[in-house]
Amino acid sequence: EAQVTQNPRYLITVTGKKLTVTCSQNMNHEYMSWYRQDPGLGLRQIYYSMNVEVTDKGDVPEGYKVSRKEKRNFPLILESPSPNQTSLYFCASNLSPDTEAFFGQGTRLTVV
Amino acid sequence: QKEVEQNSGPLSVPEGAIASLNCTYSDRGSQSFFWYRQYSGKSPELIMFIYSNGDKEDGRFTAQLNKASQYVSLLIRDSQPSDSATYLCAVTGSARQLTFGSGTQLTVLP
Repeated sequence: EAQVTQNPRYLITVTGKKLTVTCSQNMNHEYMSWYRQDPGLGLRQIYYSMNVEVTDKGDVPEGYKVSRKEKRNFPLILESPSPNQTSLYFCASNLSPDTEAFFGQGTRLTVV
Repeated sequence: QKEVEQNSGPLSVPEGAIASLNCTYSDRGSQSFFWYRQYSGKSPELIMFIYSNGDKEDGRFTAQLNKASQYVSLLIRDSQPSDSATYLCAVTGSARQLTFGSGTQLTVLP
């Protein structure tokens, strides 16, 4: 089954404790991206990647890191999480930015 | 100014009516336009995509694109309660970045 898998689905952590949210797709897609969703603000892009080893900042990259060492995986790293990063996070993959984006199930992160 | 703007809603229509959702974008080099539907607590899913000026119909859904006015719309005919969701407009800009609007919450009243 074609899918984008994010883990974990729910995470509560404390300020400053490094964490990684994993994202994996099995569709051989070139384009992958991370979004955060906050009430009233829609989906805001954090980082995107056009291909392996190629990543670019989205609209809200501060406080986040990503890596794209393999085509299928695109982890999101919070080196020192803060409460303002409490949000719902989505990973997505597309064949290209001009085609349908397939979303993971979402990760609800709470930083206390 | 946000790059992709949607009428914020919420929008309520009676069952069987036409729901009209609107979106404007700022990047004139944008080439690809999408409408996603998101049910509460779920991931967004694609409803329609459109690349060329004009109308594109798929069942009860019609997407309309006017590049000169930088305007995209989605019409839902014969609205059903199951159409109640948040509708997200998304645009691929000239920098190849996919940008979403803030969404319009639609409620279809039985």
